[in-house]
Amino acid sequence: SQQGEEDPQALSIQEGENATMNCSYKTSINNLQWYRQNSGRGLVHLILIRSNEREKHSGRLRVTLDTSKKSSSLLITASRAADTASYFCATGNTSGTYKYIFGTGTRLKVLA
Amino acid sequence: ETGVTQSPTHLIKTRGQQVTLRCSSQSGHNTVSWYQQALGQGPQFIFQYYREEENGRGNFPPRFSGLQFPNYSSELNVNALELDDSALYLCAIQGWTGELFFGEGSRLTVL
Repeated sequence: SQQGEEDPQALSIQEGENATMNCSYKTSINNLQWYRQNSGRGLVHLILIRSNEREKHSGRLRVTLDTSKKSSSLLITASRAADTASYFCATGNTSGTYKYIFGTGTRLKVLA
Repeated sequence: ETGVTQSPTHLIKTRGQQVTLRCSSQSGHNTVSWYQQALGQGPQFIFQYYREEENGRGNFPPRFSGLQFPNYSSELNVNALELDDSALYLCAIQGWTGELFFGEGSRLTVL
């Protein structure tokens, strides 16, 4: 079963605009990660935020984490056509197995 | 480029057959995980291997099995294939801070 759910399921924006996608999860975590997947290919790690962090930046990416609401958001600023992909959040628990549970994904389309 | 190589990239099998998928990494990480991704869904955790031992399993039946070798390469074996096993199978190694590095996957079609 999926732990997280991304919202929206699909998003279409113009190049240069910002894209925001959200992730909600159900159980306690020790970190949350965001991944990008181009159609039919492997996932690429974007950013990791730990449960004691509230915000993290990496280039054009900004991630927030609210553990009280069990939610996270990913903001991509000044989007480019190359950002077109599916984006997944993944939550890591504290059991030591590093069994990451992925959400259902947001399909982002950036129009040139 | 993650340095994680999976083979084969695509394969077609029929119901009841068996399949073996392979994964290797350039740097020989000792923790490898396998995920199944059905079309339009997120990856689902199958199991993880650490130093040649299974170290956690998701909600998959025993006909999904794996191996990790001394050189840390890994195999995923699926017996008695069913139509619902059609999916992209992803192998991932784990970085030092917990991030996953994925291969490009093996696309399995079961007819």
